[in-house]
Amino acid sequence: GQQLNQSPQSMFIQEGEDVSMNCTSSSIFNTWLWYKQDPGEGPVLLIALYKAGELTSNGRLTAQFGITRKDSFLNISASIPSDVGIYFCAGRALGQNFVFGPGTRLSVLP
Amino acid sequence: EAGVVQSPRYKIIEKKQPVAFWCNPISGHNTLYWYLQNLGQGPELLIRYENEEAVDDSQLPKDRFSAERLKGVDSTLKIQPAELGDSAVYLCASSFGQGNTEAFFGQGTRLTVV
Repeated sequence: GQQLNQSPQSMFIQEGEDVSMNCTSSSIFNTWLWYKQDPGEGPVLLIALYKAGELTSNGRLTAQFGITRKDSFLNISASIPSDVGIYFCAGRALGQNFVFGPGTRLSVLP
Repeated sequence: EAGVVQSPRYKIIEKKQPVAFWCNPISGHNTLYWYLQNLGQGPELLIRYENEEAVDDSQLPKDRFSAERLKGVDSTLKIQPAELGDSAVYLCASSFGQGNTEAFFGQGTRLTVV
């Protein structure tokens, strides 16, 4: 079945630094979603992408739908302590269910 | 607007016992999903409902898992009997409209089978 890879698996950054993470698939997707999950909570939707090449922002977060339609990227600018959590990508091929990646665990050091 | 509500938040049961989880989706959302999330992994779809119809239950282990959404609103997911390997977080999500659109998740039920 379809599988997503997320990179990096985990990252430790200093407060104020920018963060970049990505999600790749062996299949072409027509929708990408990015979620953040805090400990003990459900995933919260951050950004949705619907078109190849699309660049969408939500505050300090910016996500892009890769032009090959097999990848997506999430950037966080000027990280703050509350950015700590696990970031999941989810992709959907036409007529299929969303598939989630394994997550990128972000830790922010003060 | 209230989000997706799940109960209970936590459940500890002995193996071979039954367990049930309840979900109330966001008002007006006709698509409801149950996901399983194992530790350190992303959510995996168990079943998707559109209104009261289960349109995709291909990943639901039907020998011990069952789900229902009788009036097209609330849903329950049941495991009988539970096994040690069922220990995980069970997430409910809902979305507006038909088909797979972006889903909004509840807080989940953390199940521990001992």
